[in-house]
Order: sequence, then C-alpha cells, then structure tokens
Amino acid sequence: KQEVTQIPAALSVPEGENLVLNCSFTDSAIYNLQWFRQDPGKGLTSLLLIQSSQREQTSGRLNASLDKSSGRSTLYIAASQPGDSATYLCAVRQDQTGANNLFFGTGTRLTVIP
Amino acid sequence: GAGVSQTPSNKVTEKGKYVELRCDPISGHTALYWYRQSLGQGPEFLIYFQGTGAADDSGLPNDRFFAVRPEGSVSTLKIQRTERGDSAVYLCASSLKGSFHHEQYFGPGTRLTVT
Repeated sequence: KQEVTQIPAALSVPEGENLVLNCSFTDSAIYNLQWFRQDPGKGLTSLLLIQSSQREQTSGRLNASLDKSSGRSTLYIAASQPGDSATYLCAVRQDQTGANNLFFGTGTRLTVIP
Repeated sequence: GAGVSQTPSNKVTEKGKYVELRCDPISGHTALYWYRQSLGQGPEFLIYFQGTGAADDSGLPNDRFFAVRPEGSVSTLKIQRTERGDSAVYLCASSLKGSFHHEQYFGPGTRLTVT
C-alpha cells in the first residue's frame, strides 16, 4: 500500500524567508502528485499538480518538483508571507486502473511570523 | 460556478447515535469521493462512487459506515452507533469522471464530534 510521508511536521519561519517542504512516497508507480493547502476549519485548496512525466510546476511564489524514481517531491515557497500560514498536504494518485483515490501525507503545519 | 458543498459544517452527537452527512458535488461531476481526516492526520479514503454505484468502498472502516448516492448527484454518508473514535473531519470530493486523469475538487468538510 502506498505510504506518503511529510517532513517536517511543523515549521516556523520569519516573514520573507524562502522555505522547502518535503514529501516522500513508497510506491513510485504514480500518475500524478498534488500539493494542497488547508486552512483551519476549511477544506483543501489545490496549489499545484505535477504529472508523473513532469519534473516541476510553478505558480507564483510556489514551485513544486517531482523525482518519481526516488519517490520524492518538494514544495518551495519563496519570500514567505504571514498569509502562507496553513497546513500543506501532498497527495499521490496511483497509476493503476481502478485506483481512483488519493493517498495523502500527514501534512506540514507552516507558521510565518510577521 | 459553485464548488462542492457539505452539510452540516459541524455535527456534535452522543456516542451510540446515528448521523448522516451530506455532500453536494459540482454539477456534472460523475465521480464522488469521501475521505476522513482525523486530528493531525492527512485525509484517508473511505469510498468512491461512479454515478449511483459505489465503485470502491475498500476504505470504509467497518459495517457501521455506509454511503449512498441514489440519483448520481448528492451523496449521504451514514454512520450507525457512533463511537468517540469516529470524531474527525469528513471530506467530500468530486471529479468530472472517475479516472485518474481527472482532478478531485474538495468541499469544506463536516466536523463530526462524538461525545
């Protein structure tokens, strides 16, 4: 069964710093990997989706990379802002017919200090 | 357009009671998913519907949990004889179709507390 791990579990940084969140997965036969943001009491907001054939995706200050063969992804946040404070989740989708659900990591809780 | 909606947003119930949680998917989405997120954990898959039928219910923890989608749109997750361990946020997601090509869009969740 696919297992997804995120390190660190929590991270506090001063405003303006660049930071990296890590995600690893045990089964490299994935179709895509997705990074989500979750604010307290809210649902999930999709940030970036990387197909298995891609190496990275960028959106504004966010950049996500994928190394499928080694089972790793990183989310890079540039020039962090207090509004970036949230829990960040990565999730993978298996490249397997009938495997429709996402496998999630436990998340990294980010706090950006003004 | 409207996203995935879930009601109620919060539900407090006593141990042993029955609860129903509702999900309204994005209009036209044929695939619907339920996930459960316990405190400090990532969401875990419960069940997936393609149309009216449950195509994969392998994530349901036991037979106290049941879900329906009678008309292929709204879905209801039903929990019988609730236990304190059922306390979690229940998330619903929908996608245009069920294949892994289609992105899932999540609702805000229902926070269930069993006292």
